[in-house]
Amino acid sequence: DAGITQSPRHKVTETGTPVTLRCHQTENHRYMYWYRQDPGHGLRLIHYSYGVKDTDKGEVSDGYSVSRSKTEDFLLTLESATSSQTSVYFCAIKRTGGAEETQYFGPGTRLLVL
Amino acid sequence: AQSVTQPDIHITVSEGASLELRCNYSYGATPYLFWYVQSPGQGLQLLLKYFSGDTLVQGIKGFEAEFKRSQSSFNLRKPSVHWSDAAEYFCAVASRSNDYKLSFGAGTTVTVRA
Repeated sequence: DAGITQSPRHKVTETGTPVTLRCHQTENHRYMYWYRQDPGHGLRLIHYSYGVKDTDKGEVSDGYSVSRSKTEDFLLTLESATSSQTSVYFCAIKRTGGAEETQYFGPGTRLLVL
Repeated sequence: AQSVTQPDIHITVSEGASLELRCNYSYGATPYLFWYVQSPGQGLQLLLKYFSGDTLVQGIKGFEAEFKRSQSSFNLRKPSVHWSDAAEYFCAVASRSNDYKLSFGAGTTVTVRA
């Protein structure tokens, strides 16, 4: 257990509406990541953060924005949801130091955009 | 850019038989290498990882993987499969840099028949 929670766990929304997903961690890790999982693609990185207010884009960042105003929370926002953003979204943290340079994942959020 | 290929989309294996899942990567230097497992409807669990040193690494649940630099491969093996090993398996690589972004293969689904 990496102390990661995601909310909501399930969401159904309509095209054009804004959606915010929250990732919360309890272990004070510096690095946090958002991935999306789609059949045939594995997981693909959307955005990541390397500290409070420090974020950068991943390979599939179009249509998404992120914010990190405090260490424990990393928010992913879909400004205007589209059907192509129907997916399962996973948050991850990186444990650093020694043999623990590893990413651990949250339980995921299933998003359906109608 | 780094990439990961898992050639087998789906593998069916009998309970008690051996299992090998293939993973090939493309990267300028030796990356960090990982195998994750995802049971239906669940998040990702780390099975094992390779950073350096011994090229045969042991993981949880009786899995092992072997890094072969000459073949750019990191294949996962288990000598005797249990019904509970039915899941989707993902190979991933991460750059040896601070941002540590993961690139995933598309996954291999393992079905275990009695």
